[in-house]
Amino acid sequence: DAKTTQPPSMDCAEGRAANLPCNHSTISGNEYVYWYRQIHSQGPQYIIHGLKNNETNEMASLIITEDRKSSTLILPHATLRDTAVYYCIVRGGGGADGLTFGKGTHLIIQP
Amino acid sequence: DAGITQSPRHKVTETGTPVTLRCHQTENHRYMYWYRQDPGHGLRLIHYSYGVKDTDKGEVSDGYSVSRSKTEDFLLTLESATSSQTSVYFCAISVGTSLNTGELFFGEGSRLTVL
Repeated sequence: DAKTTQPPSMDCAEGRAANLPCNHSTISGNEYVYWYRQIHSQGPQYIIHGLKNNETNEMASLIITEDRKSSTLILPHATLRDTAVYYCIVRGGGGADGLTFGKGTHLIIQP
Repeated sequence: DAGITQSPRHKVTETGTPVTLRCHQTENHRYMYWYRQDPGHGLRLIHYSYGVKDTDKGEVSDGYSVSRSKTEDFLLTLESATSSQTSVYFCAISVGTSLNTGELFFGEGSRLTVL
């Protein structure tokens, strides 16, 4: 699976959009981009995933660049409850071998 | 809610004793996983299962065994617990399609302390 690079930490003001970047320059054509988050002491929570098109759901939007070498997770109106560690993971679609979690980005929403 | 529960949620045990953690799901998902999480190491995959009696090792499988005798239960066993196995253990199931198994739903975790 391709390696990802994320900033270790970011701040965002409450009510503003939080934009979390992820670099995955070695991504291959059949690999998806997944985003998860982990709020302190809880299990990781799936947010969104995409292959090459931009995706949106009730939690967030995922913007993938045309060359697929980077992506951005957007939380449109961040709240204090969005403070968490956010993980960007790249992986092939099928297969049983789970996900490899890196260190992620610690997003802190400031009041 | 993917109907996943872990038990026990908290356990304190002594070095050398056997410990079994249970992961139970109610929706017949095929793929199940055990992760551990430690400060400085993040989440690491211990073992996973791709069906009844079908399991394989993850990144940190030494000292752990698993069993899956029925679809709904995935058991993680520490045959002889050591202090290095003090950790928070998360079970996960894949709720994606066969073409996309990366959408995981995690349990609430089991905190194990080995004295």
